[in-house]
Amino acid sequence: SQQGEEDPQALSIQEGENATMNCSYKTSINNLQWYRQNSGRGLVHLILIRSNEREKHSGRLRVTLDTSKKSSSLLITASRAADTASYFCATWAGGTSYGKLTFGQGTILTVHP
Amino acid sequence: DSGVTQTPKHLITATGQRVTLRCSPRSGDLSVYWYQQSLDQGLQFLIQYYNGEERAKGNILERFSAQQFPDLHSELNLSSLELGDSALYFCASSWGQGDSPLHFGNGTRLTVT
Repeated sequence: SQQGEEDPQALSIQEGENATMNCSYKTSINNLQWYRQNSGRGLVHLILIRSNEREKHSGRLRVTLDTSKKSSSLLITASRAADTASYFCATWAGGTSYGKLTFGQGTILTVHP
Repeated sequence: DSGVTQTPKHLITATGQRVTLRCSPRSGDLSVYWYQQSLDQGLQFLIQYYNGEERAKGNILERFSAQQFPDLHSELNLSSLELGDSALYFCASSWGQGDSPLHFGNGTRLTVT
């Protein structure tokens, strides 16, 4: 079963608009990560936020984490056609020497030029 | 380029057969992870190795096995293949465990006919 659930499942926007994707999870976590996948390719790591952090930025990406609500959001500002991809949240729950990174089902983002 | 190499890129085989998927991790990475991605199941964690030792196990079938060799490359063996095993199999590597981003290869697309 999936730990994280993304919402929405699909998002279609125009270039220049902001895109917000949400992720909810069920159990306590050590960190939450966001990944991007272009069709049929490997996943690419975007950002990692630890359980004691509330917000993190990387370029046009902004990630928030609310551990009390067990939720996270990924904001992509000023989107570009090249941002079209699937976006996955993944949660790490475990110790420093064991555990697994569990992925959600993903949000398919389409940015129209 | 993530630095993670997976071979072969495509594999077509018949039911009942056995195949081996190979993964070379990014230089310096000690952890190797195997994931299976299919349309109906999403991205499923199979197994993780750290410096040659199995550290975490996910939804890996008994027909599947893996190992990490002293040079840190890893192999995933799939036997008695069934139609439902058709999927994209990803290998990922990281320097540590849990607190390190995963770097994914481009996957092996397995088709069982």
